[in-house]
Amino acid sequence: DADVTQTPRNRITKTGKRIMLECSQTKGHDRMYWYRQDPGLGLRLIYYSFDVKDINKGEISDGYSVSRQAQAKFSLSLESAIPNQTALYFCATSDLGEGAMSGELFFGEGSRLTVL
Amino acid sequence: AQSVTQLGSHVSVSEGALVLLRCNYSSSVPPYLFWYVQYPNQGLQLLLKYTSAATLVKGINGFEAEFKKSETSFHLTKPSAHMSDAAEYFCAVRRRALTFGSGTRLQVQP
Repeated sequence: DADVTQTPRNRITKTGKRIMLECSQTKGHDRMYWYRQDPGLGLRLIYYSFDVKDINKGEISDGYSVSRQAQAKFSLSLESAIPNQTALYFCATSDLGEGAMSGELFFGEGSRLTVL
Repeated sequence: AQSVTQLGSHVSVSEGALVLLRCNYSSSVPPYLFWYVQYPNQGLQLLLKYTSAATLVKGINGFEAEFKKSETSFHLTKPSAHMSDAAEYFCAVRRRALTFGSGTRLQVQP
């Protein structure tokens, strides 16, 4: 089984619909992240959480919200989806530490969202 | 603010040729730098990371990168490309979270 699991893997929805993407991890990491990937733009950070009580906006948080239900679960919501939110979304985790050995992210396989 | 710039969105090489993927960073403090690879229909995985212990960093699958402070660069190289190296490669710098470059798609021609 994958260490970082995203559901759904693919979703097609209509403009204005509420969508939730879920992420669960078995790595025991405290830190979780949501990124979106668009061709030519790389990965851009939406939200991140360093523990259950810590939620931080990333560079493109407008139109998104998150919930950290437990150490292992971090969900991303689009309250009213719009077509330019069509993208590939990745959840990732990392362990603690500010030292040089920290920082490695472990990614899920992605959730492809299409908003019509 | 820390960021990275990847030069060249697409790079094509012949099998057996040198691979060079370019990354420049901007940082006011010594950065933590990373290269990740994304194979088709997969998430990203770590190739290598700069920890300040050595300027030449060796990673998986024969890749390495050299940190050059004078050039603010962290270019990724591999002496001999293999067909299996075809993927998208991302340079990243660590702030509170990782900030990624726009990616370089590597194509390997037979």
